[in-house]
Amino acid sequence: KAGVTQTPRYLIKTRGQQVTLSCSPISGHRSVSWYQQTPGQGLQFLFEYFSETQRNKGNFPGRFSGRQFSNSRSEMNVSTLELGDSALYLCASRPRGDYGYTFGSGTRLTVV
Amino acid sequence: TQLLEQSPQFLSIQEGENLTVYCNSSSVFSSLQWYRQEPGEGPVLLVTVVTGGEVKKLKRLTFQFGDARKDSSLHITAAQPGDTGLYLCAGGKVSGGSYIPTFGRGTSLIVHP
Repeated sequence: KAGVTQTPRYLIKTRGQQVTLSCSPISGHRSVSWYQQTPGQGLQFLFEYFSETQRNKGNFPGRFSGRQFSNSRSEMNVSTLELGDSALYLCASRPRGDYGYTFGSGTRLTVV
Repeated sequence: TQLLEQSPQFLSIQEGENLTVYCNSSSVFSSLQWYRQEPGEGPVLLVTVVTGGEVKKLKRLTFQFGDARKDSSLHITAAQPGDTGLYLCAGGKVSGGSYIPTFGRGTSLIVHP
């Protein structure tokens, strides 16, 4: 059974640019969540999607957005990148009725 | 906002030693998870506990959920270098079918051969 796949693994962007990260959940998992992980703040919740609808959103500025497609694949977008957006972005999926996430390996974003 | 405090923050021990990591909150959780994360990778789920007082064992790892479902502990017996990693606890409440856990900052464990 394939795990959660995130692409790309690494990204280097310049301040002011925008970036799109992709996530393919485990087949059959309709709930997809995104987290930002930094050494200073740990894992911070960004969004949760279920059946193409954003069900919850964390406390992040509007520059952070996302969407989910009919096949449950998800993307997140960060516009007008800032140095502080440098982080490991993690996508996770879980089956309905289960509490534990399966995480992808993450996308390491560096903003210079 | 539910806050999860993990202690200790760092732990450096020798192979064969025992250790306990704690996860505490003032909030009551529907469930609590423990994850282990290695550098450059995503967290890997170790266990989910849902019942107050519940104890689960995974080989040399023992997980306990507090009676009031506000705290948890992870005990490792005879630690091995392969146990090295960042241990994260996460707790949350179910709301309308949604479950958004809050993560603790983690305990960074190094086991020296």
